[in-house]
Amino acid sequence: GAVVSQHPSWVICKSGTSVKIECRSLDFQATTMFWYRQFPKQSLMLMATSNEGSKATYEQGVEKDKFLINHASLTLSTLTVTSAHPEDSSFYICSASSILGKAFFGQGTRLTVV
Amino acid sequence: GENVEQHPSTLSVQEGDSAVIKCTYSDSASNYFPWYKQELGKRPQLIIDIRSNVGEKKDQRIAVTLNKTAKHFSLHITETQPEDSAVYFCAASQGGTSYDKVIFGPGTSLSVIP
Repeated sequence: GAVVSQHPSWVICKSGTSVKIECRSLDFQATTMFWYRQFPKQSLMLMATSNEGSKATYEQGVEKDKFLINHASLTLSTLTVTSAHPEDSSFYICSASSILGKAFFGQGTRLTVV
Repeated sequence: GENVEQHPSTLSVQEGDSAVIKCTYSDSASNYFPWYKQELGKRPQLIIDIRSNVGEKKDQRIAVTLNKTAKHFSLHITETQPEDSAVYFCAASQGGTSYDKVIFGPGTSLSVIP
């Protein structure tokens, strides 16, 4: 299957700072990537759809000014959590789909805001 | 938008028995239904998927059935083994292409007791 790589795997940051998470498709081009957030023992909640060369599409209830998404190339999407607060602590995971729609996930980023 | 429900939330079975997880979806336009297995702290892994033009698909000990009229789909695991213990997510997608977002059910925590 396709390989999606996410970096960093974990990060601890101070409240009020910003954190950038990278998602790369290693062996295929992904014009569309997706960002999810997963709280402990919960499901993956779709945050936004990242579109190469255009603005991201955010799900209802997700603050676009807080979660900045940039998809500058066919293999890289970034999620920046701005002015992070403890309630933003979560597992953030990206995915990219093959042409047939099979979604492959990055290894996820565990964000802890202290 | 699409809403995916999943039952049961937890399931314990004896090794060697079968496990069945059931899902329903709300959007009749959805036509691609993947299942993911997620072990603690790891990324979800695609284990099987089915498209709406197929009623059943099998891959070794895993099978999935789809009733498009009733908007139900199910995962069947036979001859369960301890390594099958994980959280399983069903999901639904419209179009089933790389551009289509995947919406996840809440998950089922499966425990296989040796």
